[in-house]
Amino acid sequence: DAGVIQSPRHEVTEMGQEVTLRCKPISGHDYLFWYRQTMMRGLELLIYFNNNVPIDDSGMPEDRFSAKMPNASFSTLKIQPSEPRDSAVYFCASSTNWNTEAFFGQGTRLTVV
Amino acid sequence: AQTVTQSQPEMSVQEAETVTLSCTYDTSESDYYLFWYKQPPSRQMILVIRQEAYKQQNATENRFSVNFQKAAKSFSLKISDSQLGDAAMYFCAYRSPSFNAGGTSYGKLTFGQGTILTVHP
Repeated sequence: DAGVIQSPRHEVTEMGQEVTLRCKPISGHDYLFWYRQTMMRGLELLIYFNNNVPIDDSGMPEDRFSAKMPNASFSTLKIQPSEPRDSAVYFCASSTNWNTEAFFGQGTRLTVV
Repeated sequence: AQTVTQSQPEMSVQEAETVTLSCTYDTSESDYYLFWYKQPPSRQMILVIRQEAYKQQNATENRFSVNFQKAAKSFSLKISDSQLGDAAMYFCAYRSPSFNAGGTSYGKLTFGQGTILTVHP
């Protein structure tokens, strides 16, 4: 398996623009997580899914952020409108079950100018 | 809500020496999983070691071992014979059980703030 695949690897956008980050989890994995990493806040859990259903979105910073998982092989994290403070590395991760480790993608470095 | 705390923002060690990274967590559950991940400059997250809460025995993976103190809710990572390649950010993580008392947030994976480890030659 190719592992968790995220796209794009880097994204530079202007403030106010819509940004969509994409993730393809490992086939057969039932859990999918979205994290945001910054120097100040570390690795924050934004939202996670189990069997395509959002379980906990309490980490989503505000209404500008939304996430979907239309099927078992694809998820998106959307920011609309984007702001400079959204600049961070966004990770997607997946796991087979609750008692296993999560496997991470390479992350998307987002810069909002 | 479960929280994970790593109280050491930075640590350093001499090559071939031993270093211990600290982690504490807060939970009301009795069955859960704990993990240590390593993030080198490449930013790839790599699993180092895992521990099941119901197992008394501390997990070991080659030069990496943990000291799991369930009552104290402590989960430290010991790196023996440190190597230059061990230099990285290390994250402690807690995973909720499949069903918890509230019936919500099962399987949630929460990370600490991380500890930057520097290895001196």
